[in-house]
Amino acid sequence: AQSVTQLGSHVSVSEGALVLLRCNYSSSVPPYLFWYVQYPNQGLQLLLKYTSAATLVKGINGFEAEFKKSETSFHLTKPSAHMSDAAEYFCAVRKTSYDKVIFGPGTSLSVIP
Amino acid sequence: EAQVTQNPRYLITVTGKKLTVTCSQNMNHEYMSWYRQDPGLGLRQIYYSMNVEVTDKGDVPEGYKVSRKEKRNFPLILESPSPNQTSLYFCASSFGRTNTEAFFGQGTRLTVV
Repeated sequence: AQSVTQLGSHVSVSEGALVLLRCNYSSSVPPYLFWYVQYPNQGLQLLLKYTSAATLVKGINGFEAEFKKSETSFHLTKPSAHMSDAAEYFCAVRKTSYDKVIFGPGTSLSVIP
Repeated sequence: EAQVTQNPRYLITVTGKKLTVTCSQNMNHEYMSWYRQDPGLGLRQIYYSMNVEVTDKGDVPEGYKVSRKEKRNFPLILESPSPNQTSLYFCASSFGRTNTEAFFGQGTRLTVV
């Protein structure tokens, strides 16, 4: 069965510092991978997705993620954190387009002024 | 505007009183699903539907029912709510045959007392 792990349930960074949120998945085949962001009192919004076209994926708000098959990882990064980036971030995996999306437990990002 | 609409956004109810949370999407998506979000557990799928009249259990279906009589609507029914169903619920939809991301509703915060 597929699973998604996110290292660190809470991450704090200073404003302007690098953001790194970790995601590892278990899958027998390269899956579809997603990062979602959830702002307080809102639903989930797609940040970016990997669909095998390119290993480095750029998303909205300056975020990007790199698919590394050898490490079964899909870490999310942003060069410079902004206060508005404070939110909950979820990594998710989908084996095929017919499969359900499986979410990781989430990482809460705090940005310190 | 493409969207998934859930109602109500907030609901407090008593144990055993049947309730329905509605979900509607305007994107002609085939695939719809319900998730519950609990702290530290991420999002867990309750039920999903591949198309009209086609539904199946997700990871945590106990205590819930769904129906899919129309493509756009996918209500979640709690026949006899219990306090352990207090949670944040999300409806999501996506195209079934292509790898597209799931679009999420704003969420319904349910409290069962």
